[in-house]
Amino acid sequence: DAKTTQPNSMESNEEEPVHLPCNHSTISGTDYIHWYRQLPSQGPEYVIHGLTSNVNNRMASLAIAEDRKSSTLILHRATLRDAAVYYCILTRNQFYFGTGTSLTVIP
Amino acid sequence: SAVISQKPSRDICQRGTSLTIQCQVDSQVTMMFWYRQQPGQSLTLIATANQGSEATYESGFVIDKFPISRPNLTFSTLTVSNMSPEDSSIYLCSVGQGAGYEQYFGPGTRLTVT
Repeated sequence: DAKTTQPNSMESNEEEPVHLPCNHSTISGTDYIHWYRQLPSQGPEYVIHGLTSNVNNRMASLAIAEDRKSSTLILHRATLRDAAVYYCILTRNQFYFGTGTSLTVIP
Repeated sequence: SAVISQKPSRDICQRGTSLTIQCQVDSQVTMMFWYRQQPGQSLTLIATANQGSEATYESGFVIDKFPISRPNLTFSTLTVSNMSPEDSSIYLCSVGQGAGYEQYFGPGTRLTVT
């Protein structure tokens, strides 16, 4: 499965937008891009996913580069509840988790 | 969406014993997965549980150590056999309908082996 690269950690001020990057230069045409987040002491939670086009839902937006070699998860207004580890995953069926980005939200 | 429950939520077991973890989903799902998350680490996929057939194990995981059952489309079990302290982890199950669909995770089972 194709590998993803994410920054280990990021910080954001509360109520400001957050852009979480993910590089996946070896992505194949059939790989979906998924984002999950894990709050402390909880199982991972689905955030958003897409294949080629940008996607929006009530939690976030997913911006996918035209060549699909990178993507960005956008949280429009960070809240303290958004502090979590965010995982970017490429998948055809199985989901392999990398190390993710630990997001700290500063009040 | 799918609601997933796991039993037990946590357990403390002695070295050399086995523990069976149950995963129950509130709807029929195609794919069920088992993961391990060691303290401070990311999730590692153990196996894909297939209904009506043998589970598919990832590299580094074997059926003798982690036997899996999937008797129907809403239930699966993972057994951790002949446990050692290195098996102390959180074990999570998840469900999905394929790559184009979201995956849902259970709350996890926290296992401590002494």
